Amino acid sequence: NAGVTQTPKFQVLKTGQSMTLQCAQDMNHEYMSWYRQDPGMGLRLIHYSVGAGITDQGEVPNGYNVSRSTTEDFPLRLLSAAPSQTSVYFCASSYGTSVYNEQFFGPGTRLTVL
Amino acid sequence: GQQLNQSPQSMFIQEGEDVSMNCTSSSIFNTWLWYKQDPGEGPVLLIALYKAGELTSNGRLTAQFGITRKDSFLNISASIPSDVGIYFCAGLYNQGGKLIFGQGTELSVKP
Repeated sequence: NAGVTQTPKFQVLKTGQSMTLQCAQDMNHEYMSWYRQDPGMGLRLIHYSVGAGITDQGEVPNGYNVSRSTTEDFPLRLLSAAPSQTSVYFCASSYGTSVYNEQFFGPGTRLTVL
Repeated sequence: GQQLNQSPQSMFIQEGEDVSMNCTSSSIFNTWLWYKQDPGEGPVLLIALYKAGELTSNGRLTAQFGITRKDSFLNISASIPSDVGIYFCAGLYNQGGKLIFGQGTELSVKP
């Protein structure tokens, strides 16, 4: 199994550009989520999904859209990038939402918005 | 929103020393988790705690779930250079999978 994969690893955008961060998992996990990591702030939840066709907002959803058309994929879309969205983005997945289901994290996408 | 306060923010220690870090919250958690993040990688789960008062070990790592359910600590004994990284605590309120992370403790180990 490849686990949780994220592409690209690095990206530089100009303010106002749009892009999609890709996340895929091959573990047949129902639960997937997106976090952003900023210095001194830990990881903060952006959006999450408990299964195909179901998404919900996390702690910091503004400026981001998600969809979950398949169990494997959970892309994160930035419609109009802003410098405040410069961050490291992590995708995570788990078998279910039980507290006993370990969440596995991808390697991250490092995004810079100029 | 919910917040976890993790301390210290950074530690510089000598190889072989023991390390202790902790997290506190104003809210009660049902589950406490401790993660380690290596440079350029995503966090990896080290220890999970499910009951108040629970003390769990994983090799040289020991973590405890505070009796009040509002705090947790992680100890690393006899540190080695590969312990370098950022350690995060995280809390879960209940079913739902939404993790609340602490700010992280960056550990540096001098050989």
